[in-house]
Amino acid sequence: DGGITQSPKYLFRKEGQNVTLSCEQNLNHDAMYWYRQDPGQGLRLIYYSQIVNDFQKGDIAEGYSVSREKKESFPLTVTSAQKNPTAFYLCASSIRLAGGPGEQFFGPGTRLTVL
Amino acid sequence: DQQVKQNSPSLSVQEGRISILNCDYTNSMFDYFLWYKKYPAEGPTFLISISSIKDKNEDGRFTVFLNKSAKHLSLHIVPSQPGDSAVYFCAAWGGTGNQFYFGTGTSLTVIP
Repeated sequence: DGGITQSPKYLFRKEGQNVTLSCEQNLNHDAMYWYRQDPGQGLRLIYYSQIVNDFQKGDIAEGYSVSREKKESFPLTVTSAQKNPTAFYLCASSIRLAGGPGEQFFGPGTRLTVL
Repeated sequence: DQQVKQNSPSLSVQEGRISILNCDYTNSMFDYFLWYKKYPAEGPTFLISISSIKDKNEDGRFTVFLNKSAKHLSLHIVPSQPGDSAVYFCAAWGGTGNQFYFGTGTSLTVIP
C-alpha cells in the first residue's frame, strides 16, 4: 500500500536532548513537508522540500533541522534550541498536478513530549 | 500573521441538517484551496479542493464555495452524519512561497 509512515507514534525525551522524527513515503512524491500542531492552533509549517537535496524554511523553522538525501525520506530533528518542542508533528507529501498543487497526503503523526 | 482564518472554533449540527464551515483568507495570490478532515491523534485526510478559477466544486455530500472578491470560502456538508464529527481545516496554496497555509480548524459535532 502506498502512503506515508511516521515513527514512532509517541516519543518522550529529556529536555536538552536532540531527537529525530522519521518520515517515509512511497508515493513517489517530489514535495514533502513538516508541520507542527498545538492545541487551538492550525498546522504551522516547519520545513518543506520540493526536491531531493533542497529544502526551505517554513514559518517556525527555528530550533529544527531537516535533510532530504532521498526522495522517500524527510527526517526532522528537533534540537535543544527549540524552546517549546512538546507538540504533535505531522509529515506530508504532495505531487504537483496541472493547474494546482495537488492534495497533500499526511502521515499519522508523532506526539513528542519533552520532559 | 495568520493568512488563513477559521473564526469559528466549533460548530454543532443535528444529524441530517446542513453543516457550513467558513474560512477567510487575506492573500489574493492564493490560487488553490483545500479542505481537510482530522480525527484526534491522526493525520488530516483530504476532502475536497477548488481552484481559484472556479466558484463551486461538489463531491457527493461535500460542496466547497469560493468567493474571491470577499476572500472567503465555505464547506457545505449535507446531510450531516455523526461520522462527520471531526476537526476541519481549510488550506490555501500559492503566494510567493508556493506552500500550503492552514487555518486553525473548526471542530464539527454532528448530534444524532
